[in-house]
Amino acid sequence: GAGVSQSPRYKVAKRGQDVALRCDPISGHVSLFWYQQALGQGPEFLTYFQNEAQLDKSGLPSDRFFAERPEGSVSTLKIQRTQQEDSAVYLCASSDFLGTGKHFGDGTRLSIL
Amino acid sequence: AQSVAQPEDQVNVAEGNPLTVKCTYSVSGNPYLFWYVQYPNRGLQFLLKYITGDNLVKGSYGFEAEFNKSQTSFHLKKPSALVSDSALYFCAVRGDNTDKLIFGTGTRLQVFP
Repeated sequence: GAGVSQSPRYKVAKRGQDVALRCDPISGHVSLFWYQQALGQGPEFLTYFQNEAQLDKSGLPSDRFFAERPEGSVSTLKIQRTQQEDSAVYLCASSDFLGTGKHFGDGTRLSIL
Repeated sequence: AQSVAQPEDQVNVAEGNPLTVKCTYSVSGNPYLFWYVQYPNRGLQFLLKYITGDNLVKGSYGFEAEFNKSQTSFHLKKPSALVSDSALYFCAVRGDNTDKLIFGTGTRLQVFP
């Protein structure tokens, strides 16, 4: 497809389980971003890649959160030992090298029971 | 640090009437400002941005925004609202020396027929 694709769209996990969320950016987009959107809130920045390099991970809330983009295309956000406060929508966005506008995926809604 | 504020949680307007969704900003340096719209269970869609140039920025779906430096505002406007404009609207500013976006808390726009 032409847009940013995220999978799964919905994920339910038990507290303590590990989860992995996938993002397929628009082909050729060098920049990739992850955001966390809690219910009723605006998205909050988690981390940013330029190609395969993770340039900013200042928004990751704890060392349980880990993101990678090994070949500069698909990215995975991993959350270890999930907790209830991790319940949120996780949004991925990509942009081209000009940074002319970020294209968002529809997100993964994560629910931790 | 860069930030934006959206003072209204909800804006109600009758179809056909003009609408305004407010946003004020606080930045160091030149502001890069954005508006996004979010429909239920969807990601964010880009509406428009201000980087430099004319203070009146025209965007998608008939929306426009006015950059006002003296009032540090970037209000979103549309001359004639449609019921289909009902959604969640986010103002955002580019982070300081980074490409990440910092979002406001969002304003829910409700257009009544």
